[in-house]
Amino acid sequence: KNEVEQSPQNLTAQEGEFITINCSYSVGISALHWLQQHPGGGIVSLFMLSSGKKKHGRLIATINIQEKHSSLHITASHPRDSAVYICAVIIGTASKLTFGTGTRLQVTL
Amino acid sequence: DAGVIQSPRHEVTEMGQEVTLRCKPISGHDYLFWYRQTMMRGLELLIYFNNNVPIDDSGMPEDRFSAKMPNASFSTLKIQPSEPRDSAVYFCASSFTGHGGELFFGEGSRLTVL
Repeated sequence: KNEVEQSPQNLTAQEGEFITINCSYSVGISALHWLQQHPGGGIVSLFMLSSGKKKHGRLIATINIQEKHSSLHITASHPRDSAVYICAVIIGTASKLTFGTGTRLQVTL
Repeated sequence: DAGVIQSPRHEVTEMGQEVTLRCKPISGHDYLFWYRQTMMRGLELLIYFNNNVPIDDSGMPEDRFSAKMPNASFSTLKIQPSEPRDSAVYFCASSFTGHGGELFFGEGSRLTVL
């Protein structure tokens, strides 16, 4: 079993829909990253969080350390949000990132 | 700042050849990371440097892989000899504060070993 699980693996939504992508992990972590990988392959860091909630534009990330769970929400989704969203965790005090397998999001008109 | 710069963007080579991937981190970033992405295994950390010193290379798959950072503005990842299973996209990233801070990724180098 992977230490980091994402769901769903694939998601199709219509423009304007509210989207939630989930990330669960099985070990203690010190922080969690959400990354976005566009169809062209480039990777962009969206959030790094260790507690609570962060918001940037239409994106909201939350984390519940006790429940070992994080969510990434996209409000008023748009076709340009189509990408793979990757959750990655820093396990304990280690300096390594352990990655989830990603959620492929397709937003249609 | 131009961001993290990687070269080449694409490389096609034959099995047994030496491959060198290059990375220029963002100026002032103390940490540099090399990752590999494949369909089967997703993203994996290969090695990272802090202030040009390799800190953790436990992700390097085998002795055929080596990485250097001779100065703060340049790093290389070398594969010698290359094998078809090394085909992947190799990303370089840099940051101010390691994995505990925002990561800035290069565009990646897509390697195909025939």
